[in-house]
Amino acid sequence: DTAVSQTPKYLVTQMGNDKSIKCEQNLGHDTMYWYKQDSKKFLKIMFSYNNKELIINETVPNRFSPKSPDKAHLNLHINSLELGDSAVYFCASSQDRGSKQPQHFGDGTRLSIL
Amino acid sequence: SQELEQSPQSLIVQEGKNLTINCTSSKTLYGLYWYKQKYGEGLIFLMMLQKGGEEKSHEKITAKLDEKKQQSSLHITASQPSHAGTYLCGADRSGGNTPLVFGKGTRLSVIA
Repeated sequence: DTAVSQTPKYLVTQMGNDKSIKCEQNLGHDTMYWYKQDSKKFLKIMFSYNNKELIINETVPNRFSPKSPDKAHLNLHINSLELGDSAVYFCASSQDRGSKQPQHFGDGTRLSIL
Repeated sequence: SQELEQSPQSLIVQEGKNLTINCTSSKTLYGLYWYKQKYGEGLIFLMMLQKGGEEKSHEKITAKLDEKKQQSSLHITASQPSHAGTYLCGADRSGGNTPLVFGKGTRLSVIA
């Protein structure tokens, strides 16, 4: 069974559109994350949620809006997509807020903006 | 600024050879995590190091964290094609509720 699953795996869309990426974890973890991996493969944190509450927002443009309907789900909605948004977006989860537990990652969503 | 430096950026080794990847931080770390990423896939957790001088092994992969907790190395013995991929180190900067900071990765290719 997949521990952290993201959909879709690939997303190709035009500039200016609005899109969403979904993430679900079946590990019973309390904390979930969104990371962005750019074209240079640099992986950087965007958001972190603990028990449905936003705890970290790393100066991400407000076109990006995460939503956590429950602690097993963390979705990412992006408005007015720009060329620079093209990247691979990874969802991850960990047992609790302290990062002494390893984070488990999804397979990523490859977003391409035309 | 980039807080974790990985070296080398890429590495090509012949099957059966040993290799070492390094991860250096300018600040003392509370924890150091090694992940492997295959193309088109997510990150697979390999090992976590928290104590200065700690060393862990899993199959043919050994990771060490130095006494000062600022440098870690990942050593692969007798490399195989299955070891190919990108290895990333991630750092726990504060021991609190901050997520990981990652290095830029080391891309490993293993040729027969």
